[in-house]
Amino acid sequence: DIQMTQSPSSLSASVGDRVTITCQASQDIDNYLNWYQQRPGKAPQLLIYDVSTLETGVPSRFSGSGSGAEYTLTINSLQPEDIATYFCQYYDNLPFFTFGPGTKVNV
Amino acid sequence: LQLQESGSGLVKPSQTLSLTCAVSGESISNVRYSWSWIRQPPGKGLEWIGYIYQSGSTYYNPSLMARLTISLDRSKNQFSLNLKSVTAADTAVYYCARLLVVARNPRFDNWGQGILVTVSS
Repeated sequence: DIQMTQSPSSLSASVGDRVTITCQASQDIDNYLNWYQQRPGKAPQLLIYDVSTLETGVPSRFSGSGSGAEYTLTINSLQPEDIATYFCQYYDNLPFFTFGPGTKVNV
Repeated sequence: LQLQESGSGLVKPSQTLSLTCAVSGESISNVRYSWSWIRQPPGKGLEWIGYIYQSGSTYYNPSLMARLTISLDRSKNQFSLNLKSVTAADTAVYYCARLLVVARNPRFDNWGQGILVTVSS
């Protein structure tokens, strides 16, 4: 089974900061990687799919990149509404879906 | 599009957890999508439970497969989850979600608000 890890598990940053979250797979996952944002007390929402494509309505300060086994979510100019936990998610063609453990972002 | 979970919020150990997700704004027969369940134990991460195609074909998390049934009700445009023989480990917020399948990399593009199910006597 492919394992997903995220780092850091939590972080604190200031408004306007640039924040980077890393999602590491235990092997090459061939860009089958999506990101979700879960605000406190709310359901997750799709943020980025296919590594780097922003879901409709997602602000352009969010971006995704990566390849192979390592992927990154970047928030440029962090805003108060970005307080959330961010999860990466991998799709295996079995089919099976694996979520990373999450990164909690505090402002 | 709206997805709305409903069902019992308290289930006794060894009994069956039953939830329904009512879908509005989209037909569950649309071939672009499948219909999924995902859960999140309190304070923890997300676990994929399974999904059902519009055809009725199902795909389950192997760790839950022996206890799990997901079904469709086209007349009511909803889908359901039954998880039998529950234990405290099944306590979680249960989310229904739409899964876009006509993509190389399927994605959960719409989620319900979630429903907390507690397993306790």
